[in-house]
Amino acid sequence: DAGVIQSPRHEVTEMGQEVTLRCKPISGHNSLFWYRQTMMRGLELLIYFNNNVPIDDSGMPEDRFSAKMPNASFSTLKIQPSEPRDSAVYFCASSWDSSRNQPQHFGDGTRLSIL
Amino acid sequence: DQQVKQNSPSLSVQEGRISILNCDYTNSMFDYFLWYKKYPAEGPTFLISISSIKDKNEDGRFTVFLNKSAKHLSLHIVPSQPGDSAVYFCAARGIQGAQKLVFGQGTRLTINP
Repeated sequence: DAGVIQSPRHEVTEMGQEVTLRCKPISGHNSLFWYRQTMMRGLELLIYFNNNVPIDDSGMPEDRFSAKMPNASFSTLKIQPSEPRDSAVYFCASSWDSSRNQPQHFGDGTRLSIL
Repeated sequence: DQQVKQNSPSLSVQEGRISILNCDYTNSMFDYFLWYKKYPAEGPTFLISISSIKDKNEDGRFTVFLNKSAKHLSLHIVPSQPGDSAVYFCAARGIQGAQKLVFGQGTRLTINP
């Protein structure tokens, strides 16, 4: 089975530009998570969705960041306008939310560099 | 406030020996703990987990121990193999049903031949 698919794998752009990161979760999973990994802060949760509905966006750094999940098989994380401090690796993960403990499965990430 | 801490940034172990990775947490409401393994340029891969109602969970060469009174968990890898060289993250989940995970900073494990 295909895992979590993220695109692009790498993105280099100039500050001020809009950046859109994409994620396709594992088929059948109903929870989706966006994480950011930096040297200073490690791996931190930005936002997560359950059944396409945003549940907790308390980790979104500021209004320049937005995330959508229009359907069960696709999500986007958008940064507009981008700034150099947004440079990081962004991971998407998905899981099956049930009463049992279920691990999150991660994609390979998007390495974002804002010049 | 770092709720999940991995105090050893790196660990070096001889092939065939036991690797022990440690993790401490501060929030007594955490009820589910996980270990992930990460290779360069890849996403974290789920390794093993443990519920707070247990104190040990074993899967092949990997065993996770949970000491609730000390708020401490550890991952044992026996015997260690070169392919185990990676960064290991522990993670914890809050109240039952919530999906939010809090990750430690990671420990880089190197297995020497």
